Amino acid sequence: QLQLQESGPGLVRPSETLSLTCNVSGDSMTSGVYYWAWIRQTPGKGLEYIGSKHSGGNTYYNPSLKSRVRISAEPSKNEFSLTVSAVTAADTAMYFCARGVTTFGVNTWFDPWGHGTLVTVSS
Amino acid sequence: DIVLTQSPGTLSVSPGERATLSCRASRSVSGNSLAWYQQKPGQGPRLLIYGASNRATGIPDRFSGSGSGTDFSLTISRLEPEDYAVYYCQQYGNSLFTFGPGTKVDFK
Repeated sequence: QLQLQESGPGLVRPSETLSLTCNVSGDSMTSGVYYWAWIRQTPGKGLEYIGSKHSGGNTYYNPSLKSRVRISAEPSKNEFSLTVSAVTAADTAMYFCARGVTTFGVNTWFDPWGHGTLVTVSS
Repeated sequence: DIVLTQSPGTLSVSPGERATLSCRASRSVSGNSLAWYQQKPGQGPRLLIYGASNRATGIPDRFSGSGSGTDFSLTISRLEPEDYAVYYCQQYGNSLFTFGPGTKVDFK
């Protein structure tokens, strides 16, 4: 059974870079063709798609975040990562990693999700 | 962007009763590309339905999805105690995936 687990610092200072890692267990990231995604959740904006990285290498980002985010993958470690630069209080959120199911090469729904990690941006 | 609106915001239901949740899109969702998730406190969302009406692996048959175009619904035929949670819809027909604000199903 595939499981995902987020990790990273819970507190980041404004203007700095947020870095999170998602460890994948229960199967290899390379066992099929998937997207590996990050989604965040706040009480005010709800669930917000950040972006996905295809197992073939392409990445897709939410246009509203594209200039500040990067998703990378290390299949040999069975993990993928998210960095968000120049963070502000608006980046305070619960961050989830998830596997994006592929249909005809297109990212569709997300299954499964990790439990999430809370990141607070504050000085 | 496709904006998803869910109603009601909160639905109070007794165990054994039927619950119907609505998800409305600001424009037509191509290919009925809509999923439903369940989220409980401290957990990530759990996939229930994809393609508007297909149950995910391991999801009990009391959960069913329907709809097309701009109007979709999730029905829980007989509410079990473990079904009290928040439910979200998500569209993937547009390249920018969006989620609804959620419907909380609580105990009546």
